[in-house]
Amino acid sequence: GAVVSQHPSWVICKSGTSVKIECRSLDFQATTMFWYRQFPKQSLMLMATSNEGSKATYEQGVEKDKFLINHASLTLSTLTVTSAHPEDSSFYICSARASGTSSYEQYFGPGTRLTVT
Amino acid sequence: KQEVTQIPAALSVPEGENLVLNCSFTDSAIYNLQWFRQDPGKGLTSLLLIQSSQREQTSGRLNASLDKSSGRSTLYIAASQPGDSATYLCAVFITNQAGTALIFGKGTTLSVSS
Repeated sequence: GAVVSQHPSWVICKSGTSVKIECRSLDFQATTMFWYRQFPKQSLMLMATSNEGSKATYEQGVEKDKFLINHASLTLSTLTVTSAHPEDSSFYICSARASGTSSYEQYFGPGTRLTVT
Repeated sequence: KQEVTQIPAALSVPEGENLVLNCSFTDSAIYNLQWFRQDPGKGLTSLLLIQSSQREQTSGRLNASLDKSSGRSTLYIAASQPGDSATYLCAVFITNQAGTALIFGKGTTLSVSS
């Protein structure tokens, strides 16, 4: 149980285009989902926290107009990288926290590798 | 601001050795601490989660300890195997404006040779 999927797993796009990444909780409902970014040999950095039906809360230094997050249902959150540039190339990982639980545990997706050329 | 540090950054050992990975955090006001494994280009696999009220957790050959007052945690791996080669990440749960968040260290990359 507690499986989180991401799609796509790998994407290459041209500079200036937008890319959408999906994060789904497959066997549980997730009121809260998290988006992380990981540069090579670096730690995972939290980008934003999204709660179903409300606006995402972005961490300091993360441009909310560039990284659009939508959490329209209890099993799906999307991250759209708008007007992508080569410096946005990174590994994007989502996680989900199960609804109706006092546990803080997050279940992680397999990640999406974004390369902007 | 919470910061998580992991030492060493990389470690190479022969198969069969017992080893210890270290994690330290600057603010002891944490809810839980969690250890993860990450294989190259892959997502995270949760290994052990220690509640703030606990001192340690064990799973198979893995044992994690937590000392909140000193801001330290260790991950002990017994009888290491080549399949244990991966990056091990330590993360602490904190509260932020959005509720709770995980703050990660940079990880320790372990290589176990046969």
